[in-house]
Amino acid sequence: RKEVEQDPGPFNVPEGATVAFNCTYSNSASQSFFWYRQDCRKEPKLLMSVYSSGNEDGRFTAQLNRASQYISLLIRDSKLSDSATYLCVVKNYGGSQGNLIFGKGTKLSVKP
Amino acid sequence: NAGVTQTPKFQVLKTGQSMTLQCAQDMNHEYMSWYRQDPGMGLRLIHYSVGAGITDQGEVPNGYNVSRSTTEDFPLRLLSAAPSQTSVYFCASSYLGNSYEQYFGPGTRLTVT
Repeated sequence: RKEVEQDPGPFNVPEGATVAFNCTYSNSASQSFFWYRQDCRKEPKLLMSVYSSGNEDGRFTAQLNRASQYISLLIRDSKLSDSATYLCVVKNYGGSQGNLIFGKGTKLSVKP
Repeated sequence: NAGVTQTPKFQVLKTGQSMTLQCAQDMNHEYMSWYRQDPGMGLRLIHYSVGAGITDQGEVPNGYNVSRSTTEDFPLRLLSAAPSQTSVYFCASSYLGNSYEQYFGPGTRLTVT
């Protein structure tokens, strides 16, 4: 089983829609959680960290459920500029504290 | 700050050739790493370093060497290129610790024929 699994997508949604991405992780020792965004043919960039209490950044809301080992990202009022691939990322406790483990990503396409 | 820089942006190699992908960062980050990204596979860690003089293997290290003689530079060497190494290579850096953002370079697109 892959350590981080995501909805494969693609998600094709109209502008203004609300869309949710899900992600599960298999290592209960995972310590930190992130969503990265990757535009076509570009490098990944941090979108937001995910905290146990949930956190919001404008139209984006991230949730973490440690008991179910589940992370989600909600995007409200989708914009054309939200079109990208969204990567679920975890860092595990122990070993190298820098190592990120990436999901394969979920592609979002927002249409006019 | 330039952030994380990578050279070259594109490279075509013949099977058996060797080359070095360059990576540099100017943020004084302790941690640096190399990933490869292939369609349908996501990003996979090749090698990483937690400081000058310290390197370790990631998930897919075979066919690659690294060294870290300075905090700023972390080159990736392909010893004898194979078509299976055709990929996009990203270098990344961050402070050590579980909560720090990793910054990625723009990537090197490598084709091995």
